[in-house]
Amino acid sequence: DAKTTQPPSMDCAEGRAANLPCNHSTISGNEYVYWYRQIHSQGPQYIIHGLKNNETNEMASLIITEDRKSSTLILPHATLRDTAVYYCIVSLTGFQKLVFGTGTRLLVSP
Amino acid sequence: EPEVTQTPSHQVTQMGQEVILRCVPISNHLYFYWYRQILGQKVEFLVSFYNNEISEKSEIFDDQFSVERPDGSNFTLKIRSTKLEDSAMYFCASSEDLARRNTEAFFGQGTRLTVV
Repeated sequence: DAKTTQPPSMDCAEGRAANLPCNHSTISGNEYVYWYRQIHSQGPQYIIHGLKNNETNEMASLIITEDRKSSTLILPHATLRDTAVYYCIVSLTGFQKLVFGTGTRLLVSP
Repeated sequence: EPEVTQTPSHQVTQMGQEVILRCVPISNHLYFYWYRQILGQKVEFLVSFYNNEISEKSEIFDDQFSVERPDGSNFTLKIRSTKLEDSAMYFCASSEDLARRNTEAFFGQGTRLTVV
């Protein structure tokens, strides 16, 4: 079973920031937090990952709380093409089996 | 940008028939995976493959399933005798090198398998 809890759905206005929360209260010290998304029925797409420091790349930012029990994925300026299911996944260092939960369905509206 | 390629995009087969799903992982990647997603359900891990052998498999991956890397570029999933419940989207993925730690997995666009 997935070790994360995410809200089933969220809405966001186009151009605004989308903040997607994730709880992973049982995360162990060597597990990373990964975010993937799935647009319609396409293959999952990697977004970002982190261990304990905040991370940023061209797609998004990842904020991890100091106790590592939760994190937030931030899409700074959401577009209609960001409408997708977003998955928060914890994964062991160097161990790439991904356990997908049900994710958060993000709907970006004009 | 390099990508994982899967063929065919859609396959229809009769129950009891064998099917082979094909994948071309990204060329310098060393770890290969198959996942499946039954319509409306979660993405589920099936198997991982490294150094020409299975490194991990799920309980879904029973004796009806097999994987192979027949040459330097292809990675295949064979289902020996398909059942109706094998109907799903099958995703191939690859990642660069676990020794480099936490490199992301790149997924193909999937093969939709329909068993009739």
